[in-house]
Order: sequence, then C-alpha cells, then structure tokens
Amino acid sequence: AQSVTQPDIHITVSEGASLELRCNYSYGATPYLFWYVQSPGQGLQLLLKYFSGDTLVQGIKGFEAEFKRSQSSFNLRKPSVHWSDAAEYFCAVGGNSGYALNFGKGTSLLVTP
Amino acid sequence: NAGVTQTPKFQVLKTGQSMTLQCAQDMNHEYMSWYRQDPGMGLRLIHYSVGAGITDQGEVPNGYNVSRSTTEDFPLRLLSAAPSQTSVYFCASSSSGTSGTDTQYFGPGTRLTVL
Repeated sequence: AQSVTQPDIHITVSEGASLELRCNYSYGATPYLFWYVQSPGQGLQLLLKYFSGDTLVQGIKGFEAEFKRSQSSFNLRKPSVHWSDAAEYFCAVGGNSGYALNFGKGTSLLVTP
Repeated sequence: NAGVTQTPKFQVLKTGQSMTLQCAQDMNHEYMSWYRQDPGMGLRLIHYSVGAGITDQGEVPNGYNVSRSTTEDFPLRLLSAAPSQTSVYFCASSSSGTSGTDTQYFGPGTRLTVL
C-alpha cells in the first residue's frame, strides 16, 4: 500500500531564508507525486507534480521539488521565503487506482519577520 | 469557469440528523472525490467516482453515501450524523485518464460540526 510521511509537523523560518520541506513516500511502482498548499480557511492549491522525466520539478510561487528514487523522497524547496508562504503544505502520492491521492499529514510553515 | 463549488460552507448538525453536502464542477471532469480533513491527519479519501453512475469507496467510507447521476454533481450524504464526523470536507475533480497524472482541483471546503 502506498503512504506518505511528512516528518516535520511544524517548521519556522525567517523571511528571506531558504526552505526545505521533507516528504517520504512508500510505493511499489513509479509514483505520481504532488505538493499542495493550503492557506488558512482555504482549499488546496497544487504547487507542482512529478510523473516522470526530469527529477527536478518547477512549480508555482517559486517552489521546486526533487524526486530521489533511491531515498524515496520528494522534498519541496524554495530559495527565499516570503511572509505570504505561511500555510500548510501537503505532499501526496497517486493511488493504485490512478485517481485517488494519499496525503501526508501536512507541515505547517510559520514565517517570522 | 467556477471550478469546483461546495455548499454549504458551514453546517452544524445534531447527532442523528442527516444531510447532504453538495459538490459541483463545471470543467467536464470525469473523476470526482470527497476527502475529509482532520487536525494532524491530513486528508483522507471517503468516496470517489470515475464517471456518472460509477462510485467506489475510499479509505474512510463508513457513515457516508454517494451517488453520481450527472458528470457535474457528486453529493455526499451523511445518513445519521455522529460527532466523529465533525470535520472539514473537501470535494475534488480531475479529468479522466488511466493514471493519476491529472491535476485534482479542490473546492473551498465545508466545515461540519456535529453536536
């Protein structure tokens, strides 16, 4: 069965600092991987996704993620965080049916001045 | 396009009451799904549908019913609400495909409280 682990429940970074959010997955075949962001009281917005090809994926809002098969990881990065990036971030893996997503429990990002 | 819409935004029920959460999409997507979000649990799949007339269970289906009579609508029914169903419910849709490569678009959510 597929699963996703986000080891960090909360992360605090200073505005302008770099960011890395960790995501580890368990899946037997080539995974379909996603990062979503949820601002307070809002729905989920897709940041980026990986299906195949180049292992470094560029997304919206200056985010990128790197797929590392050997480490079963898909970490999200941003070189310089803005206060508006404060939100909840979810990593997800595509399900066996090809449609359903399995989500991690999320990482809450706090950005300090 | 309105995208994925959900009604109501907020709802308070008493234990044992029934209700239907509405979800509609105007993108002609074949696939629709319902998730619930609980603190510290992420999102968990309740039910999903790969097309009109076809539904299937997800990870946490107990206490919920769905049907898909049209491509646009995918209502979620709580037959007899319980406090354990207090949660935020999200509907999502994506275009059809043979894999999970299509982006899922999420609605704004319905916050449900069961007393």
